[in-house]
Amino acid sequence: DTEVTQTPKHLVMGMTNKKSLKCEQHMGHRAMYWYKQKAKKPPELMFVYSYEKLSINESVPSRFSPECPNSSLLNLHLHALQPEDSALYLCASSHGGGKDEQYFGPGTRLTVT
Amino acid sequence: AQSVTQLGSHVSVSEGALVLLRCNYSSSVPPYLFWYVQYPNQGLQLLLKYTTGATLVKGINGFEAEFKKSETSFHLTKPSAHMSDAAEYFCAVSLLLSKLTFGTGTRLQVTL
Repeated sequence: DTEVTQTPKHLVMGMTNKKSLKCEQHMGHRAMYWYKQKAKKPPELMFVYSYEKLSINESVPSRFSPECPNSSLLNLHLHALQPEDSALYLCASSHGGGKDEQYFGPGTRLTVT
Repeated sequence: AQSVTQLGSHVSVSEGALVLLRCNYSSSVPPYLFWYVQYPNQGLQLLLKYTTGATLVKGINGFEAEFKKSETSFHLTKPSAHMSDAAEYFCAVSLLLSKLTFGTGTRLQVTL
């Protein structure tokens, strides 16, 4: 199984809502990532979890809160988002060896109204 | 600091023609290099990667890339374009801590 799954596929939320994005992989990978991708732009790294510990936070606003309950799951909790946060949110995983390739999920298309 | 430059935000080729997508990197140490493809409304799919060893790397869907240290390049090629190759292509470099740095992307259009 070389698949990274993400739910939901689409999400529309108001600025006062609280929602969560979910990501799951069963490849035995020990590193998991959240990226944000705006239209016609490359993905921008948000967070990296390595062996279930947060190792990189790219100065992301606190309205985005990551969580890694176990080595297969990664969540992104959303609260009080702004319309400019509307984007495609991508999850990825890798073996965690430092420079290895990352496998991406299909993404969650988020719209903040 | 590491960086990647993709020359040409948009490339158009005829079906059956050679595909050449350019990528140059900047790195003070030997990098790991990747090409990813993204189809509309989908995630990124790994096409190929260079780590060490053979400088000509073969990937999926008939794509290949050659690592040229002297030119700091990692251009992606395919001998014969197919309509299904139309997508966004990203070159990426990784130096440490599993942190990928992406280029700005090249949109490949394939015409009949």
